[in-house]
Amino acid sequence: DIVMTQTPLSSPVTLGQPASISCRSSQSLVHSDGNTYLSWLQQRPGQPPRLLLYKISNRFSGVPDRFSGSGAGTDFTLKISRVEAEDVGVYYCVQATQFPWTFGQGTKVEIK
Amino acid sequence: QVHLVESGGGVVQPGRSLRLSCSASGFPFSSHGMLWVRQAPGRGLEWVSLIWYDGSDKYYAEAVKGRFTISRDNSQSTLYLQMNSLRAEDTAMYYCAKYDGGLGAFDIWGQGTMVTVSS
Repeated sequence: DIVMTQTPLSSPVTLGQPASISCRSSQSLVHSDGNTYLSWLQQRPGQPPRLLLYKISNRFSGVPDRFSGSGAGTDFTLKISRVEAEDVGVYYCVQATQFPWTFGQGTKVEIK
Repeated sequence: QVHLVESGGGVVQPGRSLRLSCSASGFPFSSHGMLWVRQAPGRGLEWVSLIWYDGSDKYYAEAVKGRFTISRDNSQSTLYLQMNSLRAEDTAMYYCAKYDGGLGAFDIWGQGTMVTVSS
């Protein structure tokens, strides 16, 4: 199974400041079709997960442009350019390149 | 408006069975893969199972293989998860989600239904 490792597990951030989350996979996430099926999800307190980014860096409909994704192969990063109060929650990376699909442990973003 | 609504959760004794349902609306259900993801209390997300748009292929996490069965009724826009031989470690919020093959991602999620396995 592909293991997804996120760092840090907790990220206290000042409002208006940037935040960055790393996600590393134990194997390359490049699919045989050439795509990299790495997504980022946000889960606000008491809410179901919500898709933020797909295929590394593509923002899903309605996602603010302060969220961005980058990376390739086994190393990926989610960046929030200026954290807002509504960004509090847990962020997960997830790979859908190979079964079983696997999630990172989650990174909790909170306001200092 | 796109909606996924799960139902069927509850409290069940170890070894018993439960069937979850997920009713879809607002999108062409029969054109998309569907999946179940669970989240134990205070824990992270765990992929459980995926079914292809036409039901032709199904995939399971090792932890549920042989005990859980995913199915769908495209005429009713409904996804199911039959859970047998339930264990305490199956206690979790169960979410259904839509898989968009073009995005390669789970783009729509339901609110979840809670399953508690306890004697």
